[in-house]
Order: sequence, then C-alpha cells, then structure tokens
Amino acid sequence: GAGVSQSPRYKVAKRGQDVALRCDPISGHVSLFWYQQALGQGPEFLTYFQNEAQLDKSGLPSDRFFAERPEGSVSTLKIQRTQQEDSAVYLCASSLGGQGYEQYFGPGTRLTVT
Amino acid sequence: AQKITQTQPGMFVQEKEAVTLDCTYDTSDPSYGLFWYKQPSSGEMIFLIYQGSYDQQNATEGRYSLNFQKARKSANLVISASQLGDSAMYFCAMVGANNLFFGTGTRLTVIP
Repeated sequence: GAGVSQSPRYKVAKRGQDVALRCDPISGHVSLFWYQQALGQGPEFLTYFQNEAQLDKSGLPSDRFFAERPEGSVSTLKIQRTQQEDSAVYLCASSLGGQGYEQYFGPGTRLTVT
Repeated sequence: AQKITQTQPGMFVQEKEAVTLDCTYDTSDPSYGLFWYKQPSSGEMIFLIYQGSYDQQNATEGRYSLNFQKARKSANLVISASQLGDSAMYFCAMVGANNLFFGTGTRLTVIP
C-alpha cells in the first residue's frame, strides 16, 4: 500500500526565498507530524495536526514557519524568507491516532539554502 | 520533560553476530512509550520496535529485541544475526505529549 509521500525530495533555495513542502499522509491517518532533522542529529518536532486542527506548533522555530492541513489530509509546511540555518531534512509522519501510535515517516525533503 | 540519550555515535559488528545499541531515557511521566527507528541512507525512518512502560515482557520483532530495564531507565536495542542491510542510523525515541523525542542516533556498520 501507499506510504507517506513528500515532495519535492530535494529543494535548493536562495536565502530570502519562500518555500513550500508537501506531505501526503497515509489515507485514513488522523494525525500528522512535521519534524526537522539537521545533519548528524535526530529529528526534532515542529508541529502536529489532528485532522485539520493544528494542536501543537510549539516546535516551530520562528514565525517564518507555517504549516497547514486544510482538509485533514495533505499538509504543507511553508518557510518564508529562508535562512541558511533552515537547511535540513524535513520529515513528515502520520499515524492512526495520537500518542503511543506508531508513526509512519515519509522519505523527507532535503532543503538547502544557499 | 522527556530526554533520550544515545551515547554511541558509531558501532561496528561482524556479519551474523549480535549487537546492542544503547539508549537511556528520562521522564517524569508514569506511563510512557519507547520506539526504535532505523534510518538508511535513503533517509526514510523505518519503525522497528515499540515498548510500553507497563508491558510485562520485553518487546521482540523478528531479529530485533528490546532490553527494557525500567529501574535503570534503559531501552537497549539488540539486533541478532546482523546482516549487511542492517547498516544504517538507529534512533531511539520516546513518546511525548504530541510527538516523538529522538536521541542523536547510532550509526551501525555491519562488516562482511
């Protein structure tokens, strides 16, 4: 069956540009998570949706980061005025429920800001 | 607040041998869950095994087993009969309020 998909897989942006990263979760999965993974580090939580509701955005590093999931399925992570420190892999995960349910991860989007 | 510590940046193991990857955690929650994920060079995080804090037995999934020692707050991953395809990054993670907290990972290299 189809897993979590993300697009694009690779994105190069010039500093100051806006980017949009897309996540298609597994069909029927209620919960959707975004993580940021810097080189050589473990993923760090950015934000969490339950259906279309963004229940937790405590991990977003600045107000340049914005995420949405308007219909409770596909989600978009938008980064405005990108900075070099935004360079990382952005991972999306989905799960059937919330805490304790296994999260299924997508392949990630590698963002490089030059 | 939750914290995950993985103290082994890299590990080597001979093919067909067993290897243990260390993970310690800290939490004030009486009920919690622990995961192990594998991340090959392709970048995708692959779920391996889950242990609930109240589970009476250590979790096992095929060649993977979790050596859960609650009093020591450790949840080490044991991989038996290592295969070349096991070479990857391995992350220990703990369930938080709405997300997973990950350790810094251990890079496992299986030597033929």
